[in-house]
Amino acid sequence: EAGVAQSPRYKIIEKRQSVAFWCNPISGHATLYWYQQILGQGPKLLIQFQNNGVVDDSQLPKDRFSAERLKGVDSTLKIQPAKLEDSAVYLCASSLWARGTEAFFGQGTRLTVV
Amino acid sequence: AQKVTQAQTEISVVEKEDVTLDCVYETRDTTYYLFWYKQPPSGELVFLIRRNSFDEQNEISGRYSWNFQKSTSSFNFTITASQVVDSAVYFCALRGSQGNLIFGKGTKLSVKP
Repeated sequence: EAGVAQSPRYKIIEKRQSVAFWCNPISGHATLYWYQQILGQGPKLLIQFQNNGVVDDSQLPKDRFSAERLKGVDSTLKIQPAKLEDSAVYLCASSLWARGTEAFFGQGTRLTVV
Repeated sequence: AQKVTQAQTEISVVEKEDVTLDCVYETRDTTYYLFWYKQPPSGELVFLIRRNSFDEQNEISGRYSWNFQKSTSSFNFTITASQVVDSAVYFCALRGSQGNLIFGKGTKLSVKP
């Protein structure tokens, strides 16, 4: 079974530029998550989708971050414009359902904003 | 509000020692799920175990064991006879009624040969 795919693996951009990350979850997984992990910290949930609907985006900085999940499968996370403090690893995860099942994570995208 | 606390920031042991990683959680939900993940230097979070709030049976998987105690809101993880390959950051996580998965800050385990 293929795992969660993310791209790119690494990205370096200048502040105020825009960037987009892509995620393809495990086939059949209804729930998709985007997490931000700053160095030395635990992952922080940015947004959670159930199929193509948003379940929780309470910690998503909506003035600069946006995310969508087209047709309930792939998802993109965008940052525009980026700030220095956005430097982090962005992790995508998926699970069969939201409640009792474990989430499986992709390898992440390491973003450096200079 | 939900919260996961991993008080140990870093632990260093010598190979073959046993080590316990602590996890304390807070939730008002009666039904919830607890998880442990391993994050090796490569960066990918690897799922280790899931526990639901109605099942307080301890679990053993090879050198790994987990102790879930609702009375103290703890879900501790023990590695027996640690190995260098166990070196990683370990995260405890909680999922409540809304389905969002909340992580602790992690414990960095270093196992020295």
